Amino acid sequence: EAGVTQFPSHSVIEKGQTVTLRCDPISGHDNLYWYRRVMGKEIKFLLHFVKESKQDESGMPNNRFLAERTGGTYSTLKVQPAELEDSGVYFCASSQELGMVETEAFFGQGTRLTVV
Amino acid sequence: AQKVTQAQTEISVVEKEDVTLDCVYETRDTTYYLFWYKQPPSGELVFLIRRNSFDEQNEISGRYSWNFQKSTSSFNFTITASQVVDSAVYFCALSEPYNAGNNRKLIWGLGTSLAVNP
Repeated sequence: EAGVTQFPSHSVIEKGQTVTLRCDPISGHDNLYWYRRVMGKEIKFLLHFVKESKQDESGMPNNRFLAERTGGTYSTLKVQPAELEDSGVYFCASSQELGMVETEAFFGQGTRLTVV
Repeated sequence: AQKVTQAQTEISVVEKEDVTLDCVYETRDTTYYLFWYKQPPSGELVFLIRRNSFDEQNEISGRYSWNFQKSTSSFNFTITASQVVDSAVYFCALSEPYNAGNNRKLIWGLGTSLAVNP
């Protein structure tokens, strides 16, 4: 079974440009999360989808970030326009519901974004 | 506020040594989950364990063991007879349930980078 996959693995863009990150969760996982780790700091929650709905987007830094999950399958995270402080590693994770309990989250390998 | 502290930034050991990675957490809630994840050089975060706040039993899985102590708000991770393949960054995380029985967003420590040298 395929795990969580993220594209691209690395991206280097100039300040002001737009970048779109993609996450393909494990098939059948309704829960999808985005996290970000800025160098030297903790991994921080960005948002949580349940199927195609945003359950919690309290961690989104500002309105330059837009996440979508059309059809409840893969998700994209767009940064427009990118700023230097957006550099970091963006992780995606997915998990499933078993009855009333959510299982552990499985993570992708991350996308390393560098804004220059 | 919820917080996870991993005071050890880097640890270096020689193969076959035992090593303990510390994790201390803060939360006001009585129901929560604690996790450990491993990040090998390939980059992905690999799930190791989830423990709920009502289960204080220590757990052993092969060379890995975890010591959960609510009295000290700690969830420490020990690797026995370490191997070079254990070299990675290890993260401790805390999740508070969105509602009873569920776990949602994770709050992470800074991670401990473990180097096991031959």
